[in-house]
Amino acid sequence: SQQGEEDPQALSIQEGENATMNCSYKTSINNLQWYRQNSGRGLVHLILIRSNEREKHSGRLRVTLDTSKKSSSLLITASRAADTASYFCATGGATNKLIFGTGTLLAVQP
Amino acid sequence: DAEITQSPRHKITETGRQVTLACHQTWNHNNMFWYRQDLGHGLRLIHYSYGVHDTNKGEVSDGYSVSRSNTEDLPLTLESAASSQTSVYFCASSDRADTQYFGPGTRLTVL
Repeated sequence: SQQGEEDPQALSIQEGENATMNCSYKTSINNLQWYRQNSGRGLVHLILIRSNEREKHSGRLRVTLDTSKKSSSLLITASRAADTASYFCATGGATNKLIFGTGTLLAVQP
Repeated sequence: DAEITQSPRHKITETGRQVTLACHQTWNHNNMFWYRQDLGHGLRLIHYSYGVHDTNKGEVSDGYSVSRSNTEDLPLTLESAASSQTSVYFCASSDRADTQYFGPGTRLTVL
């Protein structure tokens, strides 16, 4: 069963706009991660936020985590055509396993 | 540079045949994972290993097996391929309970 559910399932924006994706999960976690997958490729790790953190930044990425609502958001600022990809959240618990959501497909129009 | 590779990248096989997908990592990671990715399901965990001679079943392990004889390799075997196992398979490795590094994937078609 999926732990994370991303919202929206698909998002289309213009270059330069911001893109926001949300992830909800069901059980307690140690960390939450976001991954990007370009078409036909493997997943690439973007950012990790631990359960005791509320916000984290990396370049044009901003991640927030609200453990009381069991939710996270990924904001990509000033999007580029190269950001077109699928984005997945994944939750890490007490084991070394991750549970992935179903993903958000982001299309950035030039 | 360290990397994780998968072979073959594409495979077509027939129902009932045994198929083995290879995964090789040079990160020297203890943890290795196999996932399958299907539309509408995201990534689902098939099997995983925390070290040599350790293997564990994941969410969708029926019809699959793995063995870990060294740190670098975790081959995935489909004992008797079924059409329901047509999918894209990803191998990943990690050092701790955080970042996983993914291979490029194997697209398997079972006819």
